[in-house]
Amino acid sequence: KAGVTQTPRYLIKTRGQQVTLSCSPISGHRSVSWYQQTPGQGLQFLFEYFSETQRNKGNFPGRFSGRQFSNSRSEMNVSTLELGDSALYLCASSWGTSGYQETQYFGPGTRLLVL
Amino acid sequence: AQSVSQHNHHVILSEAASLELGCNYSYGGTVNLFWYVQYPGQHLQLLLKYFSGDPLVKGIKGFEAEFIKSKFSFNLRKPSVQWSDTAEYFCAVNGDNYGQNFVFGPGTRLSVLP
Repeated sequence: KAGVTQTPRYLIKTRGQQVTLSCSPISGHRSVSWYQQTPGQGLQFLFEYFSETQRNKGNFPGRFSGRQFSNSRSEMNVSTLELGDSALYLCASSWGTSGYQETQYFGPGTRLLVL
Repeated sequence: AQSVSQHNHHVILSEAASLELGCNYSYGGTVNLFWYVQYPGQHLQLLLKYFSGDPLVKGIKGFEAEFIKSKFSFNLRKPSVQWSDTAEYFCAVNGDNYGQNFVFGPGTRLSVLP
């Protein structure tokens, strides 16, 4: 079974621009979660989508948004990029139907550099 | 806010040494506990998980962890590390008071010297 895939793997943007990252979950998984990983803050939860609806949201500004399509693929958008948005953005998928007792499977991440 | 702490930022061991990485979580009712590993240049992979039952859980590659509810701890152990265990290790929690999302610890970097 193919794992979680994320595109692109690397991105360089400048301040003020916007960026869209894509995540394809494992086949059959309906939950997609996004995380930001930085050396200073570690892994922080951004949001989770299930069946095209945002089900949970972390403590990030409104510049960070996402959506999920009917095939469970998800996109994350960051508008008006700031230098501090430079990070590894990780996507994780799970079945989404077992409450808390689920394992999340992570993709390789998209490394974003904001100049 | 619920939180997860990991005792050590960086651990350096020689091959064949025993390993114990600490993980503590703030009280939050029923919890599910996970250890993930991130090898250099690779994505996060699940090592082991605890949902319920036997508090001593065994994972892949010879790792095990013990859930001690009274201490809010979930420490990771391995009796004899190998150079290939060099990686960053993350403890994660979810559960009743954590929401559906995971809360990750800051990670512990393990360096195993050949």
